[in-house]
Amino acid sequence: DAGVIQSPRHEVTEMGQEVTLRCKPISGHDYLFWYRQTMMRGLELLIYFNNNVPIDDSGMPEDRFSAKMPNASFSTLKIQPSEPRDSAVYFCASSPRDLGGTDTQYFGPGTRLTVL
Amino acid sequence: KQEVTQIPAALSVPEGENLVLNCSFTDSAIYNLQWFRQDPGKGLTSLLLIQSSQREQTSGRLNASLDKSSGRSTLYIAASQPGDSATYLCAVSRENTGFQKLVFGTGTRLLVSP
Repeated sequence: DAGVIQSPRHEVTEMGQEVTLRCKPISGHDYLFWYRQTMMRGLELLIYFNNNVPIDDSGMPEDRFSAKMPNASFSTLKIQPSEPRDSAVYFCASSPRDLGGTDTQYFGPGTRLTVL
Repeated sequence: KQEVTQIPAALSVPEGENLVLNCSFTDSAIYNLQWFRQDPGKGLTSLLLIQSSQREQTSGRLNASLDKSSGRSTLYIAASQPGDSATYLCAVSRENTGFQKLVFGTGTRLLVSP
């Protein structure tokens, strides 16, 4: 398997523009996660899905952020409008159906977002 | 609120040394604890997962221990190699939020010099 795929790998945009980050999870995985990593706040969970349904979005910072998972093989994280403080590395991760808490999460390479 | 702290923040050692990385968490009601490795510019890779009922897990030169009651975990790396240079993060999942929701520590940046 190719692992979790994220695109683009790097994104530079200007304040106020819409940004869309994309993720393809590992085939057969039931869970999908979006994280944000910054020097100040470390790695934070933004939202996660189970079988394409959002389960917990309590980490989404504000209404400017939205995430969708239209099918089992694709998810997007959208920021509209973007602000300089959104600059960070955004990771997508997936994990298989896990009944016993023994399976880990598999991370993509991340998207480095810079908002000028 | 669960808080996860890692000490030291950075560590530099010569090749061949045994070393210990520390992780502490404030809420002992955890489901499991995981150690991840992150290489520069890359995503995280899982190293070890310890369920709350376990005391330790081993993989090759790595050994992770868990003392749930005291809110501590250690990652022991034996005979360190330059290829071990990376940032190491621990993460816990809480009983009341499900095992899928991870809270990450601040990380320890390790440099092993030849």
